[in-house]
Amino acid sequence: SQQGEEDPQALSIQEGENATMNCSYKTSINNLQWYRQNSGRGLVHLILIRSNEREKHSGRLRVTLDTSKKSSSLLITASRAADTASYFCATDNSGGSNYKLTFGKGTLLTVNP
Amino acid sequence: DTAVSQTPKYLVTQMGNDKSIKCEQNLGHDTMYWYKQDSKKFLKIMFSYNNKELIINETVPNRFSPKSPDKAHLNLHINSLELGDSAVYFCASSPFSGRSYNEQFFGPGTRLTVL
Repeated sequence: SQQGEEDPQALSIQEGENATMNCSYKTSINNLQWYRQNSGRGLVHLILIRSNEREKHSGRLRVTLDTSKKSSSLLITASRAADTASYFCATDNSGGSNYKLTFGKGTLLTVNP
Repeated sequence: DTAVSQTPKYLVTQMGNDKSIKCEQNLGHDTMYWYKQDSKKFLKIMFSYNNKELIINETVPNRFSPKSPDKAHLNLHINSLELGDSAVYFCASSPFSGRSYNEQFFGPGTRLTVL
């Protein structure tokens, strides 16, 4: 069953604005990861936040994690046209011998020049 | 150098045929995966191998058979192709430590079209 659900499904902003995407999940996790997928390409890892962390930064990216609400957000500051892509959250809720990531359906971000 | 490579990039074939997709990673990772991404971009894991051993098989029809000749390669063979198999198939790899995953590195994908 699907674990992560991104919100919104699509987001259109102007270059220079900030973009915020949210992810909700259902069961407890070891870590949560965000990936970017440009059209026609494979997924690229952006950032990983562990279940005992609340916030993480990487360049223009800021990720928060609220395990009590089972939610995470990805903030992209000062967006650029090159940030146009689909963004996926993925949860690692592996246990026992069942090691896997479960991906959400993604948010399609369009940054208009 | 390409980290995770897949061949072919595009595959167009008739229903009922058998086809294979190959994947290779040069990252020295222990774990490799196959994912299927449908037309709505939903990405679902199909198989996972750790050091050539199958560790995840996500209720995939047995027409799909993965094979890992060594830990750098994970191939996917599909028998009796059906229209519903049309999708983009991604191979990925990751290092694995303890019980928690690290980031996964994805290949460029193979777009399979079944006519």
